[in-house]
Amino acid sequence: NAGVTQTPKFQVLKTGQSMTLQCAQDMNHEYMSWYRQDPGMGLRLIHYSVGAGITDQGEVPNGYNVSRSTTEDFPLRLLSAAPSQTSVYFCASSYLEGRREKLFFGSGTQLSVL
Amino acid sequence: AQSVAQPEDQVNVAEGNPLTVKCTYSVSGNPYLFWYVQYPNRGLQFLLKYITGDNLVKGSYGFEAEFNKSQTSFHLKKPSALVSDSALYFCAVRDRTSGTYKYIFGTGTRLKVLA
Repeated sequence: NAGVTQTPKFQVLKTGQSMTLQCAQDMNHEYMSWYRQDPGMGLRLIHYSVGAGITDQGEVPNGYNVSRSTTEDFPLRLLSAAPSQTSVYFCASSYLEGRREKLFFGSGTQLSVL
Repeated sequence: AQSVAQPEDQVNVAEGNPLTVKCTYSVSGNPYLFWYVQYPNRGLQFLLKYITGDNLVKGSYGFEAEFNKSQTSFHLKKPSALVSDSALYFCAVRDRTSGTYKYIFGTGTRLKVLA
């Protein structure tokens, strides 16, 4: 089992460029989500999904788009990168059932926007 | 709205001493509560959770946490700290009666265990 796989691990963008952060899980989890981690701010939820075709906004959704066409994949799109989006991004997935509910995290993507 | 507070940015403890990392939460409904740990240059790992039942929850690596509904707290504890416990710890909450699946994290507490 690979768990949650994020690519790329590092990325440098120029202001205004677009890119997609990839996230895939092989645990058949219904729930997938994206977080950003900034010093002193903890982890902030960007977007989440409870199943294919269903997405919803988190705490800091502006500037990011998501879609969920399959159970396994949940890509995060930056349409026009800004320096404020410099951060470490984590994808996480989970079963929705209470007893099995716990987030499994990917290894993160370190993004710098110049 | 949900929120989590971790009032200490850093906690220092001597090896072998008990440790406590504090967490308080605010939800309008009933909470699911979690602790996650982030070791240096590694991803985040689940430690333990409270969903219902016993207020004292036991988790990985000898950690435990006590759910206190009246104080809206979920403090992480360990009877005897190890240097290898040094890491960044996050508390998280989900309001299980809200109908949403928003996990809200605290700002994190850096634990430093001194040899």
